[in-house]
Amino acid sequence: AQSVAQPEDQVNVAEGNPLTVKCTYSVSGNPYLFWYVQYPNRGLQFLLKYITGDNLVKGSYGFEAEFNKSQTSFHLKKPSALVSDSALYFCAVRALYNFNKFYFGSGTKLNVKP
Amino acid sequence: GAVVSQHPSWVICKSGTSVKIECRSLDFQATTMFWYRQFPKQSLMLMATSNEGSKATYEQGVEKDKFLINHASLTLSTLTVTSAHPEDSSFYICSARSAGGVYEQYFGPGTRLTVT
Repeated sequence: AQSVAQPEDQVNVAEGNPLTVKCTYSVSGNPYLFWYVQYPNRGLQFLLKYITGDNLVKGSYGFEAEFNKSQTSFHLKKPSALVSDSALYFCAVRALYNFNKFYFGSGTKLNVKP
Repeated sequence: GAVVSQHPSWVICKSGTSVKIECRSLDFQATTMFWYRQFPKQSLMLMATSNEGSKATYEQGVEKDKFLINHASLTLSTLTVTSAHPEDSSFYICSARSAGGVYEQYFGPGTRLTVT
């Protein structure tokens, strides 16, 4: 079965500090992994994806994520957080045999304080 | 590019009435559209997948007679909540995948439905 886990409901970080939002996955075979961000009362915005290739994936708004196969992780990172980064972040994995189906994590609320 | 819109952004309806939510891909043709439901402070739950011109595929536990999905064109899918009840109140989000797109889905801004 495919699944992703986001172990932290909430992450607090000061503006200017680096941030990490954690995600671990469970899939059979090679995973297709995604990060999305959701602002209040809005839909999800695509940040980045890992399909294959370089383990460090760069995405929108200065975010990046590192695919670690041995640890089955795909943590989202940013070197210097902005207050405007405060939002809900979702990790997702695409189903192996049904590319229409995404499995979303439970979401992590990122709070960046000035 | 890859913009998906939803209308309305919020709607309030009375119990027993039906409400229709539209999902449009504005700058690409969406062969496949998806409808999700999101409860407060929870993740997205896939309700159904619709392909243009064919019947929607519903996830287990989703009542197809209650949540009617129509994907009449390559740019429009509609979700109709029939005989709405207060427990149908939720945030409904659609997403779309382009004909040439294999990997990511593009999400609409969501529709907040409140049933009184």
